Amino acid sequence: AQSVSQHNHHVILSEAASLELGCNYSYGGTVNLFWYVQYPGQHLQLLLKYFSGDPLVKGIKGFEAEFIKSKFSFNLRKPSVQWSDTAEYFCAVNAPNTGFQKLVFGTGTRLLVSP
Amino acid sequence: NAGVTQTPKFQVLKTGQSMTLQCAQDMNHNSMYWYRQDPGMGLRLIYYSASEGTTDKGEVPNGYNVSRLNKREFSLRLESAAPSQTSVYFCASSSPGFTEAFFGQGTRLTVV
Repeated sequence: AQSVSQHNHHVILSEAASLELGCNYSYGGTVNLFWYVQYPGQHLQLLLKYFSGDPLVKGIKGFEAEFIKSKFSFNLRKPSVQWSDTAEYFCAVNAPNTGFQKLVFGTGTRLLVSP
Repeated sequence: NAGVTQTPKFQVLKTGQSMTLQCAQDMNHNSMYWYRQDPGMGLRLIYYSASEGTTDKGEVPNGYNVSRLNKREFSLRLESAAPSQTSVYFCASSSPGFTEAFFGQGTRLTVV
């Protein structure tokens, strides 16, 4: 089945460590890609998105993601995490087989940053 | 500008009871969605509405019904609640061409 995979379910880092969260999708053709963040007790907020163009996308709060078409991947990175980055991160894909009407989410990665 | 507003924020139901979750958006979006979030499973689409007057099933529609009352409002109804429907429910809406989805604050539902 077509899906979005996030292989890291839980990540624990110390402040100032670098972060990379993996996201792979199995949809063919053109896709729109998103990373959302959910801080404790809050709703989902958009971190960044990729539709076309430069495969290296910069988002809010120092996050970036790289689209690698050949690997069907859209990994999220941050050079130096802060305690305030503690949250759950979701990769999501909007695909042509749904008429670009549906956003399909990965299972999420829970990040804990220790001070 | 409130964005996407969901009510209620919390609800406890007994098995077999019914209830309706309300959602309204003020961004003039055509598309609206209902997701449920469960630990380790991410967000799964229950139903969506691409425009006023249309609704379609998502991944997990069983046990739910929806109504797109008008362009602003999209409600989710549980006719006979079951413990398996204990979850956090999120409503969302998206701009034309799905450039971004905006989410409500969520409804935490417990069915006992």
